[in-house]
Amino acid sequence: QQQVKQSPQSLIVQKGGISIINCAYENTAFDYFPWYQQFPGKGPALLIAIRPDVSEKKEGRFTISFNKSAKQFSLHIMDSQPGDSATYFCAATQGGSEKLVFGKGMKLTVNP
Amino acid sequence: EAQVTQNPRYLITVTGKKLTVTCSQNMNHEYMSWYRQDPGLGLRQIYYSMNVEVTDKGDVPEGYKVSRKEKRNFPLILESPSPNQTSLYFCASSFGTSSGNTIYFGEGSWLTVV
Repeated sequence: QQQVKQSPQSLIVQKGGISIINCAYENTAFDYFPWYQQFPGKGPALLIAIRPDVSEKKEGRFTISFNKSAKQFSLHIMDSQPGDSATYFCAATQGGSEKLVFGKGMKLTVNP
Repeated sequence: EAQVTQNPRYLITVTGKKLTVTCSQNMNHEYMSWYRQDPGLGLRQIYYSMNVEVTDKGDVPEGYKVSRKEKRNFPLILESPSPNQTSLYFCASSFGTSSGNTIYFGEGSWLTVV
């Protein structure tokens, strides 16, 4: 049973465009939703994270939108750049849990 | 520099030949874990450790062993590797399991079992 569903699996956008990655979760006990960015040949690294007490968090060109009632959250990359080309994983966890549940990842390609 | 170090980074081995992938972190983290990454399946947790001498199974523990004798080290052991264990493996660590603790990943170990 997949607890965090991520879509799309891949995305190609032009430089300057907006990239949107969606995730849906099932466990209402989740209270922390990080996004990880993975470049080829590297391990995932924390990009941005949100808690369910806010509906949006912005850091530079990256914004997380959170819809608690729909149990969905999404990552928006504004003004996408070729350097943003990577695999993006959404994840979820709850305080005190040993488990960080990952989505299956989305490969983003930003064309120059 | 804060880092999680895995070795080897690349390995080709034969079915049944025991191997160990080492993992070391220099951040004094209590929590360490191993993941495998496969196309279309994302990151799946193999084993985790809450602290020294405390380990537990993740989602896909079959065919793997771990040990945590020292806080900084968390080796992954494949006693009798099989081709279905061909994968990209990541070690990770963090200060704990409270939500909000950043998990740091190593750079990965590509393992091929023939």
